[in-house]
Amino acid sequence: ETGVTQTPRHLVMGMTNKKSLKCEQHLGHNAMYWYKQSAKKPLELMFVYNFKEQTENNSVPSRFSPECPNSSHLFLHLHTLQPEDSALYLCASSQYVMGGTYNEQFFGPGTRLTVL
Amino acid sequence: DQQVKQNSPSLSVQEGRISILNCDYTNSMFDYFLWYKKYPAEGPTFLISISSIKDKNEDGRFTVFLNKSAKHLSLHIVPSQPGDSAVYFCAASAGNNNDMRFGAGTRLTVKP
Repeated sequence: ETGVTQTPRHLVMGMTNKKSLKCEQHLGHNAMYWYKQSAKKPLELMFVYNFKEQTENNSVPSRFSPECPNSSHLFLHLHTLQPEDSALYLCASSQYVMGGTYNEQFFGPGTRLTVL
Repeated sequence: DQQVKQNSPSLSVQEGRISILNCDYTNSMFDYFLWYKKYPAEGPTFLISISSIKDKNEDGRFTVFLNKSAKHLSLHIVPSQPGDSAVYFCAASAGNNNDMRFGAGTRLTVKP
């Protein structure tokens, strides 16, 4: 596997279900991200992890719970979601250097989530 | 609060001609700008970037122009090819911050 992988690619769940999205990066990066892309809207940054520590939470509802066990893996745990949470969830990674130049983010293919 | 805006949801261009995709931003603290390209069923892929200390960056058929006073940047693709058909996202960041803000994207269609 190369780059950033995400599983599953598609997920349909009921509002009372609990599910998890998985992301793995094979690029040796130290920062990972979760984004949400709703139809015809900009990508919204949800969570940022630098060196496995969460550094940003952009006012995301608690029904979304991230987990970063190591710098290569990132999870997004989902519970009691709403139909408006249906979207494409994208994971990304980058090499973050404090005080250094900006490095672009590499994205996975995304998980298409439908909440019934 | 949408800090990065792409006001054209779609653009159609004939093969061989120039494609110009536009992006406006509101946050004067942004100092690094990127363009990403997205094909269906794939994640966005990095295309080209520009630092605020420059006003132009060129990479093959792709050139990004930055007008800081107007808070505007554009991506020029010349000549356009059918394989360039995709959704293009503009993104901006401030001070090596992980928090990158995206526009809503412009769908480019290059007709043979």
